[in-house]
Amino acid sequence: SAVISQKPSRDICQRGTSLTIQCQVDSQVTMMFWYRQQPGQSLTLIATANQGSEATYESGFVIDKFPISRPNLTFSTLTVSNMSPEDSSIYLCSVELGTGNTIYFGEGSWLTVV
Amino acid sequence: GQNIDQPTEMTATEGAIVQINCTYQTSGFNGLFWYQQHAGEAPTFLSYNVLDGLEEKGRFSSFLSRSKGYSYLLLKELQMKDSASYLCAVREERGSTLGRLYFGRGTQLTVWP
Repeated sequence: SAVISQKPSRDICQRGTSLTIQCQVDSQVTMMFWYRQQPGQSLTLIATANQGSEATYESGFVIDKFPISRPNLTFSTLTVSNMSPEDSSIYLCSVELGTGNTIYFGEGSWLTVV
Repeated sequence: GQNIDQPTEMTATEGAIVQINCTYQTSGFNGLFWYQQHAGEAPTFLSYNVLDGLEEKGRFSSFLSRSKGYSYLLLKELQMKDSASYLCAVREERGSTLGRLYFGRGTQLTVWP
């Protein structure tokens, strides 16, 4: 298995502010993924974070709102910009390990926007 | 695209067996995953199927039929702690972006004493 650490685990944020979520993995991985889980909903992929290149965003998600960094093979950040109450969600990073038969999630970052 | 369908809720009693079904429609299928998610926690990996058949792992088993676009998660000897949401997720092979998953809405399982 892998140890995937996310910070912060929880936060309450003011409307209009931005927050950066960090994801640290204890082994090198090629791709990291950022998901969102809104209250009562399932997980939706925001973007794929590739080391050394721009992140690839899914439909409905844009770089200006969710800028991502991937400076090395063990670390990534997701920023939620200009937050509104609709951004209140769990944000999760995910990595694929081994031969692709195991995909793990971090502990999640619970954000509440007031 | 992809369409992943699973029941919204299920209930069962302690010690029983429950089967949670998942159907999917996708192109370039490259594996199906099951996750368990307790309230207030992140999803925990349970199983992975890429070939047809049954994968057994302790009290949990997962089955896949690629031709039918169908999978199920079988939970045996249910315990109260198995009360959770169970998420079916499909990996769709698309170029080099392996690892991205598409999730169903989850099945909330309640185990009664």
